[in-house]
Amino acid sequence: GEDVEQSLFLSVREGDSSVINCTYTDSSSTYLYWYKQEPGAGLQLLTYIFSNMDMKQDQRLTVLLNKKDKHLSLRIADTQTGDSAIYFCAESMDDKIIFGKGTRLHILP
Amino acid sequence: EAGVAQSPRYKIIEKRQSVAFWCNPISGHATLYWYQQILGQGPKLLIQFQNNGVVDDSQLPKDRFSAERLKGVDSTLKIQPAKLEDSAVYLCASSLESLANDNEQFFGPGTRLTVL
Repeated sequence: GEDVEQSLFLSVREGDSSVINCTYTDSSSTYLYWYKQEPGAGLQLLTYIFSNMDMKQDQRLTVLLNKKDKHLSLRIADTQTGDSAIYFCAESMDDKIIFGKGTRLHILP
Repeated sequence: EAGVAQSPRYKIIEKRQSVAFWCNPISGHATLYWYQQILGQGPKLLIQFQNNGVVDDSQLPKDRFSAERLKGVDSTLKIQPAKLEDSAVYLCASSLESLANDNEQFFGPGTRLTVL
């Protein structure tokens, strides 16, 4: 079935690294995504990874993919207050995107 | 480049009333999506258009929801009659082509619907 699981909350101190984890179900997913949603705004694509890759780095963001365990993670280095948002993991399936419920990242001073 | 526009931003109605939402995608984007995002959940696809044709409406509750994209540009989503459980944010997104060609979806700010 279609199910993308992620923890609902994460609290991190400013300047530390944040790691948001996700598991997905469809081993045939071509792309896996991380979206960011700030209050009152739509979703913004942060990054995505093709299923034949195991890592992708983009400035402060690092995505790790373990295809065997169907596990995806997003690491945000040097977390800032502007990173406070809900982060959605998503997988592509049959030309659709299936979203998780989102992880709310809270930044502690 | 202008983003995806949606209106209204907020709507409050009573149950059994009707409501319509409007979306104007990014110019030139062939594919348009409507999502429902219930509080505390991720967005769920309701319907996908490719130009003015429906690609996927398998999760659209067709007894009360309808959507159209007559000229292949902007789109309207209607709920008639509304139920309490329809309270959600309705997100519109667009992309150049379908996901099969790995085109990014761009999301609008959403319409927050409250049904009392």
